[in-house]
Amino acid sequence: DTAVSQTPKYLVTQMGNDKSIKCEQNLGHDTMYWYKQDSKKFLKIMFSYNNKELIINETVPNRFSPKSPDKAHLNLHINSLELGDSAVYFCASSQVTGGRQYFGPGTRLTVT
Amino acid sequence: ELKVEQNPLFLSMQEGKNYTIYCNYSTTSDRLYWYRQDPGKSLESLFVLLSNGAVKQEGRLMASLDTKARLSTLHITAAVHDLSATYFCAVAPSTNAGKSTFGDGTTLTVKP
Repeated sequence: DTAVSQTPKYLVTQMGNDKSIKCEQNLGHDTMYWYKQDSKKFLKIMFSYNNKELIINETVPNRFSPKSPDKAHLNLHINSLELGDSAVYFCASSQVTGGRQYFGPGTRLTVT
Repeated sequence: ELKVEQNPLFLSMQEGKNYTIYCNYSTTSDRLYWYRQDPGKSLESLFVLLSNGAVKQEGRLMASLDTKARLSTLHITAAVHDLSATYFCAVAPSTNAGKSTFGDGTTLTVKP
């Protein structure tokens, strides 16, 4: 069983489109996160939810909107995609906020 | 703003040798993480260090935390080729346990 899963694994789209990435964890964790890893491998936190409540909202363009329908799911919707959004997006979860994090396989987003 | 500095950024070593990766950070924190990332893969949590003086070991890797010096080390003992990967440290401030800031990563290559 995959602990943290993401779909899709690869996403190629054109500038201006809207796309969503889905994340699910079956670990029973309370906290979920979205990270962005750019082409230079720099990692940056974007958002975090604890029990469906947004607790971390970093300096991210308004075009990015997370949604957590329940504790096990955290989705990321991106409007009006730009070239600079091309990156690998990782979802992660932890039992408690700040605890050991388990990462999903990542979604490689390419905007052309 | 929390800054996290890792060094070295690149490390090439021979099998059987020992080496240490350093992670310095700029703000009070009592929560530090070490991750491993293989090329094209996700992040794997190695260690979570939660208090001053914490030391954790797994296999050939040992991590320690000195919160007074704002320094963590990842020590590699008798390196083997399988340890080749990129290692990231991440630090969460005392005021926000879920908001990790990552170092730039140390790319380790172990040569036979």
